[in-house]
Amino acid sequence: SQQGEEDPQALSIQEGENATMNCSYKTSINNLQWYRQNSGRGLVHLILIRSNEREKHSGRLRVTLDTSKKSSSLLITASRAADTASYFCATDAWGSNYKLTFGKGTLLTVNP
Amino acid sequence: EAQVTQNPRYLITVTGKKLTVTCSQNMNHEYMSWYRQDPGLGLRQIYYSMNVEVTDKGDVPEGYKVSRKEKRNFPLILESPSPNQTSLYFCASSHGRGGELFFGEGSRLTVL
Repeated sequence: SQQGEEDPQALSIQEGENATMNCSYKTSINNLQWYRQNSGRGLVHLILIRSNEREKHSGRLRVTLDTSKKSSSLLITASRAADTASYFCATDAWGSNYKLTFGKGTLLTVNP
Repeated sequence: EAQVTQNPRYLITVTGKKLTVTCSQNMNHEYMSWYRQDPGLGLRQIYYSMNVEVTDKGDVPEGYKVSRKEKRNFPLILESPSPNQTSLYFCASSHGRGGELFFGEGSRLTVL
């Protein structure tokens, strides 16, 4: 079952602009994570935010979590062509017994 | 270097010919998991393992088997592959529940 759903499915921006991707989920979570995938490669962990946290930063990444709305957003500031990739949210739901469930992803294209 | 290693990376096979995709991690992680990735469907969990000799079904376990005889290895077995198992497969591991997942580079399987 799909827990997280990213929005939009695809996003195209110019280098230097900010990119915002959203993730909505259905059930209560322990934490939510964001991953990045370059075309056909393995996923790479970006950031983890726990259910009792509201915002987290890592370099040019900013993640917010609103548990009342069951949603999260990933902001990439000052985007670069190298940020072109698919971005996935993944949720660790309460009672899920070690299961991390991924959304379908947002394909971000950053044009030089 | 911390890594998850999958083999083979690419495989073309025929319906019914048993195959095994190996996965090995060198981080002493307790948790390991297999995902398949298909266009439009995102990542779906096949099986996961919380520790040696402890495995459980994910969302799409039909047609697959796994074993966890050693902590570092978690092979995925397709006893009788069918064309609908053509997909990109990822093995992943983490230290504990809900933690950061480390992914292998993927195994692209084609079943004719």
